[in-house]
Amino acid sequence: GPKVLQIPSHQIIDMGQMVTLNCDPVSNHLYFYWYKQILGQQMEFLVNFYNGKVMEKSKLFKDQFSVERPDGSYFTLKIQPTALEDSAVYFCASSLGQSQNTLYFGAGTRLSVL
Amino acid sequence: GDSVTQTEGLVTLTEGLPVMLNCTYQSTYSPFLFWYVQHLNEAPKLLLKSFTDNKRPEHQGFHATLHKSSSSFHLQKSSAQLSDSALYYCALEGSAGNKLTFGIGTRVLVRP
Repeated sequence: GPKVLQIPSHQIIDMGQMVTLNCDPVSNHLYFYWYKQILGQQMEFLVNFYNGKVMEKSKLFKDQFSVERPDGSYFTLKIQPTALEDSAVYFCASSLGQSQNTLYFGAGTRLSVL
Repeated sequence: GDSVTQTEGLVTLTEGLPVMLNCTYQSTYSPFLFWYVQHLNEAPKLLLKSFTDNKRPEHQGFHATLHKSSSSFHLQKSSAQLSDSALYYCALEGSAGNKLTFGIGTRVLVRP
């Protein structure tokens, strides 16, 4: 079936540095998402993105976070600067449409902030 | 706001026995419910989702019935297989299309 690829699978960085998480969504999908999962907790919605714009973001999407998908390439989540509490698994997802559409997830990027 | 509560922790069972994973929800709207399954080192993928009518969704032997009266969408299978060992997430889509609220997940281990 359709696959969403996330690169890298694990990233370790020092607190205060910048990190960019990359996501290669399903090719014909139009809606893109990031979810955050802290160890032992549920996946939580961060942000969704359509037509080059953020549609909705949660309170977890801090000012240090940004997303973009320049020219139909990777859908990226950038954190600058990182903080210890940003350590989590970040899941990217994409869908063809909105309501009731299936979200296709990547396997996640585990971010460790030291 | 929306919330989803699942059977917590690890569910261990023997191959061939029935499986039932609980999922209840709270939402101010009439939501759509989903079950996602995540096998080890893989991406979460959709297992099944509720319908707008009263049909019962089924996939790979799993089924779930949306009961609005009890706000539940329990996942069931009559006979567990070893390959069913995985992490199962219940999720709801509330008022904002495609913004999913997830439960904490239930890990299932099926033993021979």
